[in-house]
Amino acid sequence: DTAVSQTPKYLVTQMGNDKSIKCEQNLGHDTMYWYKQDSKKFLKIMFSYNNKELIINETVPNRFSPKSPDKAHLNLHINSLELGDSAVYFCASSQRTGGPGAQYFGPGTRLLVL
Amino acid sequence: AQSVSQHNHHVILSEAASLELGCNYSYGGTVNLFWYVQYPGQHLQLLLKYFSGDPLVKGIKGFEAEFIKSKFSFNLRKPSVQWSDTAEYFCAVKGNNAGNMLTFGGGTRLMVKP
Repeated sequence: DTAVSQTPKYLVTQMGNDKSIKCEQNLGHDTMYWYKQDSKKFLKIMFSYNNKELIINETVPNRFSPKSPDKAHLNLHINSLELGDSAVYFCASSQRTGGPGAQYFGPGTRLLVL
Repeated sequence: AQSVSQHNHHVILSEAASLELGCNYSYGGTVNLFWYVQYPGQHLQLLLKYFSGDPLVKGIKGFEAEFIKSKFSFNLRKPSVQWSDTAEYFCAVKGNNAGNMLTFGGGTRLMVKP
């Protein structure tokens, strides 16, 4: 069974479009995250979210917004896509808010903005 | 603020050679430490983690890491690498007062020659 899943796996789109990436976890975790991995493989946290608190990395443009319909899902919406948004986006989850639990990652969504 | 430094950006080894990848962190309080591996084209997988107790941590696939508090280090080791260990390795830190935010190092690309 897939623990953390993301769709789509690949996303190619034009500049200026709005797109969403979906993430689902079946681990019963209460906290989910979005990370961006650039072409140099550098990983940067974008958001941390549970049902009580959204923590936003202040460097993330407000064109990016997480939306959580329920505890098992955290979708990423991106408005007005720019060339620099091309990257791999990873969703992750962990067990306990504020706890030391390890994060488990999804397979990634490779976004290419043309 | 917490930060993580991986000094080796690229490592090339022959099969059966021993491996040690450096990881140093900067954080003033108690930390949780992780090593993740990313095989080519795949997502991040947890190799091992340290929360407390024995500073020598055993992970999957024969990897281990040692937490040396006085040196703020958490180096990854494997006595004998295999070609299948070719991957990108990421060290990550989460301070106990840092909410749920994991901070990743820049990664080390390991290539094992058959």
